[in-house]
Amino acid sequence: SQQGEEDPQALSIQEGENATMNCSYKTSINNLQWYRQNSGRGLVHLILIRSNEREKHSGRLRVTLDTSKKSSSLLITASRAADTASYFCATDRTGGAQKLVFGQGTRLTINP
Amino acid sequence: DTAVSQTPKYLVTQMGNDKSIKCEQNLGHDTMYWYKQDSKKFLKIMFSYNNKELIINETVPNRFSPKSPDKAHLNLHINSLELGDSAVYFCASSQGLGEATNEKLFFGSGTQLSVL
Repeated sequence: SQQGEEDPQALSIQEGENATMNCSYKTSINNLQWYRQNSGRGLVHLILIRSNEREKHSGRLRVTLDTSKKSSSLLITASRAADTASYFCATDRTGGAQKLVFGQGTRLTINP
Repeated sequence: DTAVSQTPKYLVTQMGNDKSIKCEQNLGHDTMYWYKQDSKKFLKIMFSYNNKELIINETVPNRFSPKSPDKAHLNLHINSLELGDSAVYFCASSQGLGEATNEKLFFGSGTQLSVL
């Protein structure tokens, strides 16, 4: 079974609102990463959080990690139409990018 | 100046044919990957190569054969294409491998393969 599972599968909000996406995983990890995929494009790395970190910020992005619950959340504040995309979490179970395992993603739609 | 480029972007072919997808990265990375994204957007690793050496082969049918002529290129050849091979195939690269905990992937824009 896949390692990361995003929730919800789809999210639709109004521009300016905050968007929160969650990711759960099953095994111990070294780090967890979030990626964005615009329609018809490849994935773009957003942020990486290590297993000994609890929160990380990058611009309008805030990522939290709770290793006791094996879960992470991605918060996008003050959403914009350009944030419309699919967001994936990926976990590194044994170290090194060669072991990255992705979830199915959350499809985020920002309505103007 | 694209970092990871793959060709073609679209590939439409008949069942039973053999086809190839090419990938090149100009980032100087040591590791390259092939991922398959199905219709439900689930992204699954197929292969990874480090400095032309196969590192990961995730129970992919042997109809799929990756080839890495040098560390900047990783091509994917598919024999006897089947309907179930229809998907989007992504090439990616990362700086290294091993115990580093800060590796991130750089993806190409994908090849949409449709087998008719």
